[in-house]
Amino acid sequence: KNEVEQSPQNLTAQEGEFITINCSYSVGISALHWLQQHPGGGIVSLFMLSSGKKKHGRLIATINIQEKHSSLHITASHPRDSAVYICAVRSSSSGSARQLTFGSGTQLTVLP
Amino acid sequence: NAGVTQTPKFQVLKTGQSMTLQCAQDMNHEYMSWYRQDPGMGLRLIHYSVGAGITDQGEVPNGYNVSRSTTEDFPLRLLSAAPSQTSVYFCASSYDLGGFNEQYFGPGTRLTVT
Repeated sequence: KNEVEQSPQNLTAQEGEFITINCSYSVGISALHWLQQHPGGGIVSLFMLSSGKKKHGRLIATINIQEKHSSLHITASHPRDSAVYICAVRSSSSGSARQLTFGSGTQLTVLP
Repeated sequence: NAGVTQTPKFQVLKTGQSMTLQCAQDMNHEYMSWYRQDPGMGLRLIHYSVGAGITDQGEVPNGYNVSRSTTEDFPLRLLSAAPSQTSVYFCASSYDLGGFNEQYFGPGTRLTVT
């Protein structure tokens, strides 16, 4: 079983829809990252969080440490949101604290 | 700032050839890392460095060497390329090891080994 599981693997939505991408992890963590990989391949960091909720524009990220679960929400989705969204966690155990463990990503396509 | 740069963007190698993927950052970051990305799998850590002169192995280090002679540069060497090393390679950097530091990624190098 992977340490980081994302769902769904693929998601197609109509423009304007509210989108949720889920991330579950099996280890204790010090931080969770949400990343966006553009169709051209570049990767950018969207959020880093260790508790609660963060919001940037139409993007909202939440985390529940007790349930080992995080969600990424996109409100009023737009075709330019089409990308792969990647969840990554940094373990809180000292031995592997230097490594990020990545989910396999969610491919989002927003249709006009 | 240029951020994290990688060269080349594309490369085709024959089995057994060697090459070096270049990575540089101009943000004075201590922590740099190399990942490979394969279809259907998450990014996997190859090697990382916590500062000039210090490197360590990640999850999939076999067939790759690294060195860190300066803070800015972190090249990845393929000693004898194999088809299993066909992948997209990303270099990343961050200020330090703390979990709450943003990772900055390079644009990637798409490598094909025939």
